[in-house]
Amino acid sequence: GAVVSQHPSWVICKSGTSVKIECRSLDFQATTMFWYRQFPKQSLMLMATSNEGSKATYEQGVEKDKFLINHASLTLSTLTVTSAHPEDSSFYICSARSDGLAGVMRFEVTQYFGPGTRLLVL
Amino acid sequence: GQNIDQPTEMTATEGAIVQINCTYQTSGFNGLFWYQQHAGEAPTFLSYNVLDGLEEKGRFSSFLSRSKGYSYLLLKELQMKDSASYLCALVDGDYKLSFGAGTTVTVRA
Repeated sequence: GAVVSQHPSWVICKSGTSVKIECRSLDFQATTMFWYRQFPKQSLMLMATSNEGSKATYEQGVEKDKFLINHASLTLSTLTVTSAHPEDSSFYICSARSDGLAGVMRFEVTQYFGPGTRLLVL
Repeated sequence: GQNIDQPTEMTATEGAIVQINCTYQTSGFNGLFWYQQHAGEAPTFLSYNVLDGLEEKGRFSSFLSRSKGYSYLLLKELQMKDSASYLCALVDGDYKLSFGAGTTVTVRA
């Protein structure tokens, strides 16, 4: 199956600092990537959808200026948590999907999940 | 929007069968996934149903009834390693996933 990696897997930072998380599709071109957040004992909540080369679409209640998403290439998306605070401590998971490329309208169903990044803000 | 309901917790003994139900309401439907998630790990794919009926895959089976907005995941011959959270996830009209809160299954010896 398709492989998606995330880096780092763990990060501990001080309040007020910014943290960048990378999500890479290793063996396929990910035209669409998704960023989820999961608090303990809760399910995954979609934060935003990013398409290569365009601005991310954020879900309601997610601050776009706080969670900066860049999808600069077909294999890499980054999530930057700016001025992180303890309440941002969570498990961040990305997923990748390969839809149709330029000019081809096709939507895949399957999303391939990365292993997740655990963020702890002190 | 979507509304997805599944039980919070279930407990069963090793070797038994457990059925996890998922009911949903949605304005757009492009299928339903079941994922397994162990604590501290990302979800792993178990099954995908888009047509009505039963899909069997080894010890795990998944059923879908679109008219009833209902699915279940059946786990047979339970093993200790099956202790995990099981997530029901809808694929909406925009092909985005919406997850249920998850059902924590505890397998006892």
